[in-house]
Amino acid sequence: EAQVTQNPRYLITVTGKKLTVTCSQNMNHEYMSWYRQDPGLGLRQIYYSMNVEVTDKGDVPEGYKVSRKEKRNFPLILESPSPNQTSLYFCASSLQAGVAEQYFGPGTRLTVT
Amino acid sequence: SQQGEEDPQALSIQEGENATMNCSYKTSINNLQWYRQNSGRGLVHLILIRSNEREKHSGRLRVTLDTSKKSSSLLITASRAADTASYFCATDGKWTGANNLFFGTGTRLTVIP
Repeated sequence: EAQVTQNPRYLITVTGKKLTVTCSQNMNHEYMSWYRQDPGLGLRQIYYSMNVEVTDKGDVPEGYKVSRKEKRNFPLILESPSPNQTSLYFCASSLQAGVAEQYFGPGTRLTVT
Repeated sequence: SQQGEEDPQALSIQEGENATMNCSYKTSINNLQWYRQNSGRGLVHLILIRSNEREKHSGRLRVTLDTSKKSSSLLITASRAADTASYFCATDGKWTGANNLFFGTGTRLTVIP
């Protein structure tokens, strides 16, 4: 089954404790992206990747890192999480940017205390 | 910001009625997409309309695009309780190389059985 998986689905952590949210897709998509969703603000793009080893900042990249060492994986790293990073995070992938539909993962609800 | 804006923010209708949601955006685009999100879950792609298209249909969905007004509408005909969800428009940026997808804040649709 074609899908985007994220782990963990729920995470409660404390300020400053490094964490990684994994994202994997099995559709051989070139384009992958991370979004955060906050009430009243909609979805905002954090980082995206056009292909392996090619990543770029989205709208709200501060406090986040990503890597794309393999085509299927695109982990999101929070080196020192802060409470303002409490949010619902979505990973998405598509054949290519812009012109193709994006497939979304189920989301990761992160709470930073 | 290139973020789109949906209108209304919330819409409540009876089953069987039609639902219309609007999206306005700020800059020139290559494509506009509509997505649906059930509460707290990942977004699901509904339809993509290119900037040179004016109308597109998919089942009970009808999307229009007016690039002169920088607006789009999504019509769901003969609504069902299962259509209850949030609906988002997403635009790429014509002058940013279509690498980013900008989402609106969404319309929350409630279909009352």
